[in-house]
Amino acid sequence: IAGITQAPTSQILAAGRRMTLRCTQDMRHNAMYWYRQDLGLGLRLIHYSNTAGTTGKGEVPDGYSVSRANTDDFPLTLASAVPSQTSVYFCASSERGDGSTDTQYFGPGTRLTVL
Amino acid sequence: GQNIDQPTEMTATEGAIVQINCTYQTSGFNGLFWYQQHAGEAPTFLSYNVLDGLEEKGRFSSFLSRSKGYSYLLLKELQMKDSASYLCAVRDSNYQLIWGAGTKLIIKP
Repeated sequence: IAGITQAPTSQILAAGRRMTLRCTQDMRHNAMYWYRQDLGLGLRLIHYSNTAGTTGKGEVPDGYSVSRANTDDFPLTLASAVPSQTSVYFCASSERGDGSTDTQYFGPGTRLTVL
Repeated sequence: GQNIDQPTEMTATEGAIVQINCTYQTSGFNGLFWYQQHAGEAPTFLSYNVLDGLEEKGRFSSFLSRSKGYSYLLLKELQMKDSASYLCAVRDSNYQLIWGAGTKLIIKP
């Protein structure tokens, strides 16, 4: 079934530990995104990639890094987790570049708790 | 700064009609999106407006006025499964989506 998968579904992590959230899409979309969603706030963009090999910073990039070695995968790494990074993380993708609505499609999310 | 405003919560009755408003102030405008998000799930796309006017899609309609920085999502013939959060997002001049905090819609029998 076409779509976006994320792993893990949820994770409890000790502060200071390194963590990589995985995201894979099989729709051959050019663009991919990482958001965090916190209660009472809108989705906030962490990092994005318009095409394989390129990445950009979003609204809240500090403490996070990404890579885009190929079209399908877009992992998000927390180098040294802090409690303020407790959140639900969503990966999304979009076709981008053909003048369409460029709708973003979301993965199921990863619920991360940093203690 | 950029800002998207939506009511935090609304309540409506099954079978009725509800209108969820969204006002925005963004650096540039390249379209407005509405998404539905059930509790514990991912946002799913509902509608897209880039020109002024009403877009109808089944029980859901979305309206845009660019001069007023205003949109609304209209849900007709409400069903219990419509209980969810509704997210408004604007694509800005950098082609990034700026998101509102969402409106939690509670449907009562």
